[in-house]
Amino acid sequence: NAGVTQTPKFRILKIGQSMTLQCAQDMNHNYMYWYRQDPGMGLKLIYYSVGAGITDKGEVPNGYNVSRSTTEDFPLRLELAAPSQTSVYFCASSYPGTQPQHFGDGTRLSIL
Amino acid sequence: QQPVQSPQAVILREGEDAVINCSSSKALYSVHWYRQKHGEAPVFLMILLKGGEQKGHEKISASFNEKKQQSSLYLTASQLSYSGTYFCGTEGTTSGNTPLVFGKGTRLSVIA
Repeated sequence: NAGVTQTPKFRILKIGQSMTLQCAQDMNHNYMYWYRQDPGMGLKLIYYSVGAGITDKGEVPNGYNVSRSTTEDFPLRLELAAPSQTSVYFCASSYPGTQPQHFGDGTRLSIL
Repeated sequence: QQPVQSPQAVILREGEDAVINCSSSKALYSVHWYRQKHGEAPVFLMILLKGGEQKGHEKISASFNEKKQQSSLYLTASQLSYSGTYFCGTEGTTSGNTPLVFGKGTRLSVIA
């Protein structure tokens, strides 16, 4: 089992460019999450999904979009990248209910 | 609402004990604890459910005081491998209906 796989691991974007961060899990988890982590600020929830076709906003959704067409995949789209979106992005997944979250290794994104 | 963790940082010598606290201003259903080593993904430690449950994981244990809306993580006889940033995540309603809200983290450094 690979667990939660995120690609790419590193990326540098120019202001105004767009990109998609990929996230895939092979644990048949219904719930999936996208977080961003800025230095000293903990994990902030961007979007989450409780199943295919169902997504909802988290605490910091502005500037991002998601889709969930399959149980396995939960891509995060950045449109018109801004320097404020420079961060480390983590994808996580879990079973429904009060269950542990399994995190991917993260994508380190810099926008210059 | 983001839980408050204290202390923000702590330095220990091998074999010493530490306590990390996580407090919320609202009623909690559960508290989750994760550890993140530098440059890596957060890793699940344990979940505490309301009811004052105390759980253990080798020499790391935790308690949850529902009345005080506070959880404490206890690290005894610390080892070098315990170094990292510890995050609590809180769930404020019944199981699985709302995503976790993470604190800003407590940086723990264990030195020889």
